[in-house]
Amino acid sequence: EAGVVQSPRYKIIEKKQPVAFWCNPISGHNTLYWYRQNLGQGPELLIRYENEEAVDDSQLPKDRFSAERLKGVDSTLKIQPAELGDSAVYLCASSISRGSYNEQFFGPGTRLTVL
Amino acid sequence: GQNIDQPTEMTATEGAIVQINCTYQTSGFNGLFWYQQHAGEAPTFLSYNVLDGLEEKGRFSSFLSRSKGYSYLLLKELQMKDSASYLCAVTGGGNKLTFGTGTQLKVEL
Repeated sequence: EAGVVQSPRYKIIEKKQPVAFWCNPISGHNTLYWYRQNLGQGPELLIRYENEEAVDDSQLPKDRFSAERLKGVDSTLKIQPAELGDSAVYLCASSISRGSYNEQFFGPGTRLTVL
Repeated sequence: GQNIDQPTEMTATEGAIVQINCTYQTSGFNGLFWYQQHAGEAPTFLSYNVLDGLEEKGRFSSFLSRSKGYSYLLLKELQMKDSASYLCAVTGGGNKLTFGTGTQLKVEL
């Protein structure tokens, strides 16, 4: 079974440029998450989807970040315009219920560098 | 809100046992997770505790005390490949995880 797929793996852009990240979750996983992980820190949730509905986007900086999951499968996270402080690894995860808990499976991430 | 504390770094010797502690303060609690993350890779699930006590899974065990807001991850028979960051994460429900900053474990010969 394929894991969570993300692309690109690496992206270098100049500040003020737009950038987009793509994620395809594990087949059958209805819940999809976007996290941002700064160096030496744990992942921080940006947005969570249940199917195509964004159920938690309280940590998403909505002035420059947007996300969509139109058909409830793959998802795109966009930053426009990018700032120097956006340099981080952007992780996508999907989850499946294990009865008493939901196990999240993470993709390899996209490492963004903003110059 | 959630507040999670764990040591930044630890060093241990191959073949030894190491305990990584995690303390948390939460407004709601529905379980605690441990994830392993090798440098440049995705976090991978290690364990889940929701009730007090010890959960053992091979060389790894995880303990939880809800009254103390405390958990630890115990790694036995350390191997060089265990060098990684170990992330403690708490859920207050609703599939939302709040992660600690991670403990960078270095296993030496």
